[in-house]
Formats: sequence, C-alpha cells, structure tokens
Amino acid sequence: NAGVTQTPKFRVLKTGQSMTLLCAQDMNHEYMYWYRQDPGMGLRLIHYSVGEGTTAKGEVPDGYNVSRLKKQNFLLGLESAAPSQTSVYFCASRTPDRGRHQPQHFGDGTRLSIL
Amino acid sequence: AQSVTQLGSHVSVSEGALVLLRCNYSSSVPPYLFWYVQYPNQGLQLLLKYTSAATLVKGINGFEAEFKKSETSFHLTKPSAHMSDAAEYFCAVSQSGAGSYQLTFGKGTKLSVIP
Repeated sequence: NAGVTQTPKFRVLKTGQSMTLLCAQDMNHEYMYWYRQDPGMGLRLIHYSVGEGTTAKGEVPDGYNVSRLKKQNFLLGLESAAPSQTSVYFCASRTPDRGRHQPQHFGDGTRLSIL
Repeated sequence: AQSVTQLGSHVSVSEGALVLLRCNYSSSVPPYLFWYVQYPNQGLQLLLKYTSAATLVKGINGFEAEFKKSETSFHLTKPSAHMSDAAEYFCAVSQSGAGSYQLTFGKGTKLSVIP
C-alpha cells in the first residue's frame, strides 16, 4: 500500500543546475499538489493539477514548472536552481470525489539543498 | 479567501498533561477544517477533519477538536500527553471555488513533551 511516493528523498544541487522531482500515487486520485515547507512558514502551494494534462499555479509558482502527462505522476522541475529554493518539497493527492471535506494524502517529502 | 492562524509556534507540556493547540480560522463561507501531524522527517498525516456533521470531532491517537463558530476556532486537544505525541501540528482550511480543493495551512505548532 504505497500511497504517495516521492523520489528522490534527498538531493544537493549547485546554483544554476536543474532537476526534476517525481511524485507517484497509486490511489487513482485526480487531484495532485506540490508544496514547499520552510521553517515557520507552514506549507505553501507551488502548483497543482486537477487531472491528467492539466496544471495550474499556486501561491509560490515562480522558478518552478510542472507536468502531469500521466494520471499517476506529477513532476516538479527546477530549471535553474537558486539558494532560495532550498526547502522540503511535499507532494499530495486527493480523491476526485466532490466536496471540500476530502483530505489530501502526503508523501514523505524531498529534502533539497541548493549551494 | 480563507485562512488559519495557529497561536504559538512551540508548545511544551509534561507527559500526562493536557495538550491544547490553538487554531483560529477566517472564512466567509462554512469552513472545512483539518488537523495534520508531522513526525520528524516524515510527511503529513491526517489527524481529524471537521465537515459540519458534528462540532466535536474525534481523531486518531486520542486527539479531538471542537469547532466553535462564535469564536471562529478549531482547537486541538488531548487529555494526557504521551512522549510519542512530540511532533509538529498543522491546522488547514479547504478553499472554496475553482474546483481545485486547495488547502491553506497555518504555520504550524511544534509540540514538545517533557518526561
């Protein structure tokens, strides 16, 4: 019962490098989300997707791009990493059932450091 | 837009003492509220959710929360703290509109339990 799986778990990058974070869910969820977590800031939404082939910007989208080519996968890309993007990144998904009461399910996070 | 405020970024209690973590919300529509827990180096796990069915909501691990509309609050409590409760706790509100079911999180409260 994997749920939401994020890879990699840890990564160190140099400023200007690019990378892609992968989120995979096996619950047939339509909605998927990428958050970043910084000390004292809670979780802030970067991008989200309401279905395969669709993406939208969240609260802090600058410097990130996303793709949802397959329903089960949601990719987060950093084209040119900056030290300000050092953070812990969480992916989440939720059921397509209507209603704001449905919870989101989270992965274990990717800890990313930009030097 | 809806928002939540968590009072106290860090709360310390003695083992066996009452746990009280505060959350106040701001919403122009009936809110759907959640409490999540994050153990060290893990993702977020749902503790409980308020969906308007009952004002007192029971969650996992002995936690409960009471929705008080007059006080716009949804405080989390546990009668007797255990060492295993040491974690960070997040209150969140589900956003209305746009069909994306976004969550807006508070900044979190880190709970320490003193033996």
